[in-house]
Amino acid sequence: QVQLVETGGGVVQPGRSLRLSCAVSGFTLSTNVMHWVRQAPGKGLEWVGSISYDGSNKNYAESVNGRFTISRDNSKNTLYLQMDNLRTEDTALYYCARAVMTTVPVFDYWGQGTLVTVSS
Amino acid sequence: DIQMTQSPSTLSASVGDRVTITCRASQSINTWLAWYQQRPGKAPKLLIYDASSLESGVPSRFSGSESGTEFTLTVSSLQPEDFATYYCQQYNTYPWTFGQGTKVEIK
Repeated sequence: QVQLVETGGGVVQPGRSLRLSCAVSGFTLSTNVMHWVRQAPGKGLEWVGSISYDGSNKNYAESVNGRFTISRDNSKNTLYLQMDNLRTEDTALYYCARAVMTTVPVFDYWGQGTLVTVSS
Repeated sequence: DIQMTQSPSTLSASVGDRVTITCRASQSINTWLAWYQQRPGKAPKLLIYDASSLESGVPSRFSGSESGTEFTLTVSSLQPEDFATYYCQQYNTYPWTFGQGTKVEIK
């Protein structure tokens, strides 16, 4: 069955970096566009960014553009989110999600999320 | 950015009730709208895409419709497992944006 498992969350000080990973199984990562979506505690969902199936095309929300970088290693079935210069407002549960189709950013499978807390 | 506004923010209902949640887009998004259900402590679950297409495995009591920039999610007969928070999401224009959520509570 399809599974996505995020790891790498934790408590980090403002201005520091953190890298999240999303290990997938049950499908071929190289054929899917992947996304990161976050949810601040008690709040709604916010799309963070996406990466094309081969990593050649990336898009980011304005709130993270220039600070966050999405990458993927299809040979390891793993998606990454490198988060630099973290801010307190980046505190959230971070989900990786699979797009239904390459051209359709609707998310049919999600991980369980990994919590990132940015605090001094 | 396209703003998605859901109403109500909270809805109290009983098992068996017919429930309707509305999502309004700040501009045209055609029918590029999805609905998700999120139970407490869980990841969102896709219910409907393209405004009215039911995701595989989702019970038929869930349905979606659209009228211009207004979209509706209807649960025909609320079941105990349907008490959750529901989100709409537009995918017409970057960045993809979600509504603020509608919490369906037990009356």
